[in-house]
Amino acid sequence: DAGITQSPRHKVTETGTPVTLRCHQTENHRYMYWYRQDPGHGLRLIHYSYGVKDTDKGEVSDGYSVSRSKTEDFLLTLESATSSQTSVYFCAISARDGSTDNEQFFGPGTRLTVL
Amino acid sequence: GDSVTQMEGPVTLSEEAFLTINCTYTATGYPSLFWYVQYPGEGLQLLLKATKADDKGSNKGFEATYRKETTSFHLEKGSVQVSDSAVYFCALTANTGGFKTIFGAGTRLFVKA
Repeated sequence: DAGITQSPRHKVTETGTPVTLRCHQTENHRYMYWYRQDPGHGLRLIHYSYGVKDTDKGEVSDGYSVSRSKTEDFLLTLESATSSQTSVYFCAISARDGSTDNEQFFGPGTRLTVL
Repeated sequence: GDSVTQMEGPVTLSEEAFLTINCTYTATGYPSLFWYVQYPGEGLQLLLKATKADDKGSNKGFEATYRKETTSFHLEKGSVQVSDSAVYFCALTANTGGFKTIFGAGTRLFVKA
């Protein structure tokens, strides 16, 4: 199994509070991704990183920011959590070589509830 | 833009039945196609993939063939087991839009003993 951990695994927070989710990998893969999973929507990309300090937006990036100061860590921050951000968040990594063969390895997920 | 459409679930089958989960896609260029599986309480894991037209991906008795003429990548298994109960996601990565991966909405499969 690819070495990907996410913390925390579960979190309950209140509207308006900041929340940071952490993804840690031991595979030294260049690419890291944050997705959210909601019923009927599959997985939607929030942000991704293609190297240390190199990040870009996905399709649902509003209300989220990310940082990657080390190869192994990718942080997702909800600046001011809203109920619409209640979801399951998955981190993924890939060693993509510039082709479309972009197999990704997923972490176990973080279930976030915003009250 | 690029998109993936897969059949809505849930799909309920008896053990040893034949499984088909339909997946069609829209993409420019020549995407790679994937099936991922998600077991309860876990993250997604790659089930199989195909990177060019007419390729067949296979794993654990599952198969899917990359059909460019029908823009499809249907998942099949000849005899399902209770342990195959999971959510299945079809996905593509195209060489546009920064090589991001697009996922379908997922199809939940229940297999009864």
